[in-house]
Amino acid sequence: AQRVTQPEKLLSVFKGAPVELKCNYSYSGSPELFWYVQYSRQRLQLLLRHISRESIKGFTADLNKGETSFHLKKPFAQEEDSAMYYCALSRTGRRALTFGSGTRLQVQP
Amino acid sequence: GAGVSQSPSNKVTEKGKDVELRCDPISGHTALYWYRQRLGQGLEFLIYFQGNSAPDKSGLPSDRFSAERTGESVSTLTIQRTQQEDSAVYLCASSSSSGEQFFGPGTRLTVL
Repeated sequence: AQRVTQPEKLLSVFKGAPVELKCNYSYSGSPELFWYVQYSRQRLQLLLRHISRESIKGFTADLNKGETSFHLKKPFAQEEDSAMYYCALSRTGRRALTFGSGTRLQVQP
Repeated sequence: GAGVSQSPSNKVTEKGKDVELRCDPISGHTALYWYRQRLGQGLEFLIYFQGNSAPDKSGLPSDRFSAERTGESVSTLTIQRTQQEDSAVYLCASSSSSGEQFFGPGTRLTVL
């Protein structure tokens, strides 16, 4: 069975510092990986997906199949980045998502 | 509509009672998903509907849980004989063929 691991429950950084939210997965096939974000009192929403290869709100994530990782990075954190971040995986041919337990990012002024 | 809606937003029930949770997906979305999020944990997949295909029920934790969807519209998740471990936020999402899932605000279920 597939599994997504986010080892950090809380990551606290100062404004302007680099951010890396870790995500590792286990799945024997070719997964599709996603990052979802939930800002305070808002709904869970898609931040980015690996097949899009986009940078959203300054965030990027690269799928590393050798290390089975999909870490989320931003070079300069902003206070408005404070939120819960969830890494998720979908298996080949299956839309349902497997989520990690989430990392709370706190960006301090 | 503006997005996925869910009702009620909060539900408090007594152990052993049945509950029904409702999800209204975005109009035109063929796929609908139910997830559960226990306190401090990630989302767990429960069930997935795609058009007229048989639903993927592989995530339902027990036979006390069931869900229905009428065509490509409203879905109802029913939990029978609720237990305290059923306390969680139940999230619904819908998607079109692009695959991006749009989530509702969730229903917070508390079983006393």
